[in-house]
Amino acid sequence: AQSVTQLDSQVPVFEEAPVELRCNYSSSVSVYLFWYVQYPNQGLQLLLKYLSGSTLVKGINGFEAEFNKSQTSFHLRKPSVHISDTAEYFCAVSRSGGSYIPTFGRGTSLIVHP
Amino acid sequence: KAGVTQTPRYLIKTRGQQVTLSCSPISGHRSVSWYQQTPGQGLQFLFEYFSETQRNKGNFPGRFSGRQFSNSRSEMNVSTLELGDSALYLCASSLTGGDNSPLHFGNGTRLTVT
Repeated sequence: AQSVTQLDSQVPVFEEAPVELRCNYSSSVSVYLFWYVQYPNQGLQLLLKYLSGSTLVKGINGFEAEFNKSQTSFHLRKPSVHISDTAEYFCAVSRSGGSYIPTFGRGTSLIVHP
Repeated sequence: KAGVTQTPRYLIKTRGQQVTLSCSPISGHRSVSWYQQTPGQGLQFLFEYFSETQRNKGNFPGRFSGRQFSNSRSEMNVSTLELGDSALYLCASSLTGGDNSPLHFGNGTRLTVT
């Protein structure tokens, strides 16, 4: 079975500052990795995904993430955040090779201050 | 394309009652998954349906059940409600429900049990 750990439950940051949200996973098999964002009173929305190929993945809203197999990490980054980026961010991992249900982390609350 | 639609958005029920939640997936999506989201437990997987068959099931008691219709619309039912069932229930659809198929979430149904 796979598991996901989001190392920070809350990340406060000032507007226009860079941010990194950390995600580590464990799995004995190959995985696919996802980041989702949840704005207040809404469902989750896919930010980006890593399936294969380049380890640097670009997503929507200026976010990107880097897959690091040796460190089993998939950290999410943005060089300059906006107030509108305030939301809950979820990392998810799925086993490759079947109809496996993704495992979600507990989420990181990104709070952007003016 | 219309997104995932969940109805109703809010529900208030009393302990012991039962409730049915509805989910209409994105057109063409055959997999529908249900999740329970609470502040304490995060996102927990309930079950997944594909082509009217339950394909995966999470670790929830038998009071939680679901079904999928031939048009891929899905319902979940919770019987004998308990206070601890208060949560945001999220439905997600995907093309095939396979490992690399991103989930598209609805805005959820907020269930409050009093």
